[in-house]
Amino acid sequence: GAVVSQHPSRVICKSGTSVKIECRSLDFQATTMFWYRQFPKQSLMLMATSNEGSKATYEQGVEKDKFLINHASLTLSTLTVTSAHPEDSSFYICSAPGYTPMGGYNEQFFGPGTRLTVL
Amino acid sequence: DAKTTQPPSMDCAEGRAANLPCNHSTISGNEYVYWYRQIHSQGPQYIIHGLKNNETNEMASLIITEDRKSSTLILPHATLRDTAVYYCIVPTLLNSGYALNFGKGTSLLVTP
Repeated sequence: GAVVSQHPSRVICKSGTSVKIECRSLDFQATTMFWYRQFPKQSLMLMATSNEGSKATYEQGVEKDKFLINHASLTLSTLTVTSAHPEDSSFYICSAPGYTPMGGYNEQFFGPGTRLTVL
Repeated sequence: DAKTTQPPSMDCAEGRAANLPCNHSTISGNEYVYWYRQIHSQGPQYIIHGLKNNETNEMASLIITEDRKSSTLILPHATLRDTAVYYCIVPTLLNSGYALNFGKGTSLLVTP
């Protein structure tokens, strides 16, 4: 099946610094990618939709100036957490839609996630 | 978007069938039911999806009631590696495709 990778898998940074997370579709093209955030013992929350060639669409309550998304190519989307603070510590996961053999619908392929810890 | 309701947790003995229920009473006629699972600290994994017919693949079976208001995911022979949070989702159509709104899911614990 299709593979989505993320880099880095784990990052620790100081408060006030910026962190970039990469999401790559390895064997398929993705004009759309989704970014999720998951806090401990909670479910995944959709943050934004990354669109190749256009601006990202952010969910309500997600600051677009803080979480910068760039969909640089058909296989790469990046999420930059700017001026990170301890409350931004979370598990960030990306996904890209693929296709099932049944046809007529999209299946989401998820990356392994990036654990961000802000000190 | 159709909401789903799942029990928060379930236990299952290793080797037995795990039956995970989901209610989606507001589902529309052309909306699919998807099941994903998330093993601790990993990205979610697709399991199966269906519209109105029962479906089976190498991982699981999906039984959808005739009125489509509920469904059951069946893991026929649960193993310890099936311990995970299972999410029943009716995807939301956005302009750019389908986004998955994860509810709280069912935490399945498979015991020896």
